[in-house]
Amino acid sequence: DTEVTQTPKHLVMGMTNKKSLKCEQHMGHRAMYWYKQKAKKPPELMFVYSYEKLSINESVPSRFSPECPNSSLLNLHLHALQPEDSALYLCASSQEWPGMYEQYFGPGTRLTVT
Amino acid sequence: AQSVAQPEDQVNVAEGNPLTVKCTYSVSGNPYLFWYVQYPNRGLQFLLKYITGDNLVKGSYGFEAEFNKSQTSFHLKKPSALVSDSALYFCAVRDPNSGYSTLTFGKGTMLLVSP
Repeated sequence: DTEVTQTPKHLVMGMTNKKSLKCEQHMGHRAMYWYKQKAKKPPELMFVYSYEKLSINESVPSRFSPECPNSSLLNLHLHALQPEDSALYLCASSQEWPGMYEQYFGPGTRLTVT
Repeated sequence: AQSVAQPEDQVNVAEGNPLTVKCTYSVSGNPYLFWYVQYPNRGLQFLLKYITGDNLVKGSYGFEAEFNKSQTSFHLKKPSALVSDSALYFCAVRDPNSGYSTLTFGKGTMLLVSP
């Protein structure tokens, strides 16, 4: 099973709202990622968690706050977003064993900020 | 720094014909290379990878890719295209010297297969 699940599928929020995106994988993967993707563009890396610890933050604004409650779950907390933050947010995970570096992506959350 | 180039924004092919989607890379040392496909309003699906070994890599849905070290290329191929192969394709590279699995993606190539 190579499934990564994400909820919700769609989210519309105002600029003053607080919301959270959720991601889950049960493949025992050691690394989990958040990406932001604009239409017809490649994904842009936001955060990397390795062994439940934040290892990479790609200079993401503080209105995005990641959290890794356990090895299977990854959250992205959103607060005071801007309209330009509207995008597809993708979660991914990877095993990180020798030769097993491919990332598996979830279906994404389509976020619209009004 | 590593980089990936996909020189074609779009590739058009008729159903039943062979297809090629091009990718070239730049990385120090031996690269780890990947192909992903993305259907509309979906996440990226892993197709295949090259880590080491045989230069011809076979993946999902009948796709294959050929690693060419001298030309620093990793072109995606399929002998007979299907209309359902129409999608956005991304090539990606990981620096083998990196401690984390951070991928550098190409800009993407839209594949359109006509009936």
